[in-house]
Amino acid sequence: DAKTTQPNSMESNEEEPVHLPCNHSTISGTDYIHWYRQLPSQGPEYVIHGLTSNVNNRMASLAIAEDRKSSTLILHRATLRDAAVYYCILRRTSNTGKLIFGQGTTLQVKP
Amino acid sequence: NAGVTQTPKFQVLKTGQSMTLQCAQDMNHEYMSWYRQDPGMGLRLIHYSVGAGITDQGEVPNGYNVSRSTTEDFPLRLLSAAPSQTSVYFCASSLKTGLLSEQYFGPGTRLTVT
Repeated sequence: DAKTTQPNSMESNEEEPVHLPCNHSTISGTDYIHWYRQLPSQGPEYVIHGLTSNVNNRMASLAIAEDRKSSTLILHRATLRDAAVYYCILRRTSNTGKLIFGQGTTLQVKP
Repeated sequence: NAGVTQTPKFQVLKTGQSMTLQCAQDMNHEYMSWYRQDPGMGLRLIHYSVGAGITDQGEVPNGYNVSRSTTEDFPLRLLSAAPSQTSVYFCASSLKTGLLSEQYFGPGTRLTVT
């Protein structure tokens, strides 16, 4: 599975937008980009996924670079409840549903 | 729907003891899996199942057994617990194994082996 690289930690102020970057320079054409987050003392939860085009849902937006070697998860208005570890994961056609988690980015939101 | 449930929430074992971590889902999901998460690290896949009667190994299967006799349940067995198995264990499920299937995680079981 292709590797992703994320910053270890980021800080944001409440009610401001947050841009969480992910580098995946070895991504293949069939890899989907998935984001999950893990709130303190909870299991991970799905956030969003995409292939080539930018994607929006009720939780966040996903901006994918034209060459697909990087992507950015955008939280439009951070709240204290968004403080979590955010994981960027590549999922390949050939895998059988497995998620390969890296270290993720720990997001702190300051009031 | 209750979603993915796990029992117990906490467990302390002595080295060499055996136990079963329970996982159940009520969403009729085909795919179920077990992960472990050590402090400060991401999750690592232990075992997974793509349907009743079918299981396979993940990244770190040693010391663990699984079976899938029903769609709903996917228990994880520790045959002889070791301190290295101290971790938080998460069960997950998804409707299909496909790339677009969102995975749902349970709340976790925190296991300590002394």
